[in-house]
Amino acid sequence: DVKVTQSSRYLVKRTGEKVFLECVQDMDHENMFWYRQDPGLGLRLIYFSYDVKMKEKGDIPEGYSVSREKKERFSLILESASTNQTSMYLCASSFQAWTGDQPQHFGDGTRLSIL
Amino acid sequence: AQSVTQLDSHVSVSEGTPVLLRCNYSSSYSPSLFWYVQHPNKGLQLLLKYTSAATLVKGINGFEAEFKKSETSFHLTKPSAHMSDAAEYFCVVTNAGNMLTFGGGTRLMVKP
Repeated sequence: DVKVTQSSRYLVKRTGEKVFLECVQDMDHENMFWYRQDPGLGLRLIYFSYDVKMKEKGDIPEGYSVSREKKERFSLILESASTNQTSMYLCASSFQAWTGDQPQHFGDGTRLSIL
Repeated sequence: AQSVTQLDSHVSVSEGTPVLLRCNYSSSYSPSLFWYVQHPNKGLQLLLKYTSAATLVKGINGFEAEFKKSETSFHLTKPSAHMSDAAEYFCVVTNAGNMLTFGGGTRLMVKP
């Protein structure tokens, strides 16, 4: 079974702090993704990566950055946390198939609260 | 461009009765389609996927979905609902770059 592990299930941080969310997958997937999920807004893509050291902006990258130094690990960084970044964050991974038929596999999410 | 519409934001059924969750999509080419389920405070779990093979797709936990190109639909069904099926369900279409387009979600409630 594919395992996508997010380092924290719940996290509370303060405004202005630098926040790191970590994600690790064990299936040698090329693609990794970060989403945030908010009531009424659904899932929105923040950043994704096709390969080590590669990153691409998603729909809402402002206020976030990412790092992918190893294939299995994809980190989301909130440079200076703000209250509007309080949300559920979901990491996902998939094989790279340009036919588009590879599903993404999700972690259990990190519920982040910024006070 | 592609889009996904889940026709019901909430569906309520009694335990033991059939489940139907409706999904329509639009895509400029032959899409791959998925259904995911999300239980409270959990991530999304893949239920099933359609990738241009058989039009009737069987998934986990007794769910299945039928791809109907003429109707651009991919409805999710289950013959008999169980209490543990209560969750939010997402219909998803993907493009050649493996980017997902999510439907708005359907919250399934199962009454005892």
